[in-house]
Amino acid sequence: TQLLEQSPQFLSIQEGENLTVYCNSSSVFSSLQWYRQEPGEGPVLLVTVVTGGEVKKLKRLTFQFGDARKDSSLHITAAQPGDTGLYLCAGTTSGTYKYIFGTGTRLKVLA
Amino acid sequence: ETGVTQTPRHLVMGMTNKKSLKCEQHLGHNAMYWYKQSAKKPLELMFVYNFKEQTENNSVPSRFSPECPNSSHLFLHLHTLQPEDSALYLCASSFGSAAGGLAQETQYFGPGTRLLVL
Repeated sequence: TQLLEQSPQFLSIQEGENLTVYCNSSSVFSSLQWYRQEPGEGPVLLVTVVTGGEVKKLKRLTFQFGDARKDSSLHITAAQPGDTGLYLCAGTTSGTYKYIFGTGTRLKVLA
Repeated sequence: ETGVTQTPRHLVMGMTNKKSLKCEQHLGHNAMYWYKQSAKKPLELMFVYNFKEQTENNSVPSRFSPECPNSSHLFLHLHTLQPEDSALYLCASSFGSAAGGLAQETQYFGPGTRLLVL
């Protein structure tokens, strides 16, 4: 069974701090996505990475796909209260459209 | 606002009730999905429809019955649920493929229906 483990599970930090969230698996994925879900809302797609070693930046967010395409990280620089939410990674394997979702990291940024 | 709406937003039902969840997308998509999000488990895919045809039933119990009358609407009919079915039920849509393949499509999620089964 494919499983995506995210760490940490919970994270509470002060505004302005940096943080990194990890998404790890023993399986190889053909693509991996990161979502943010705010309370009372559905997940919203942040980024999709498809190439091993790929790095994508979205303002203060930096996403990296591992060289072996088994893991990914999300780094947030100078976190703001608006970054608060549940961060989910989701991976898909070649030949299927089904995304396996990670266990999630709940981030709270305190003003 | 992602263009995917779900009603009701909250639902409380007894185990003997019959209720339905509704999802509507205004994005011109042709694929629609039902997911279950429980407190202690990862998001789980339940059903997939592509051009109104069900292409995926992820071993979901028969007390959950999906219906897709057209590409814009998706329903989840609920009957004799159990307390462990309490969860956030999310609908999503994507472009879809007339050829049948849905590989790596971007999915747009609705806000979900928070269901409590007593």
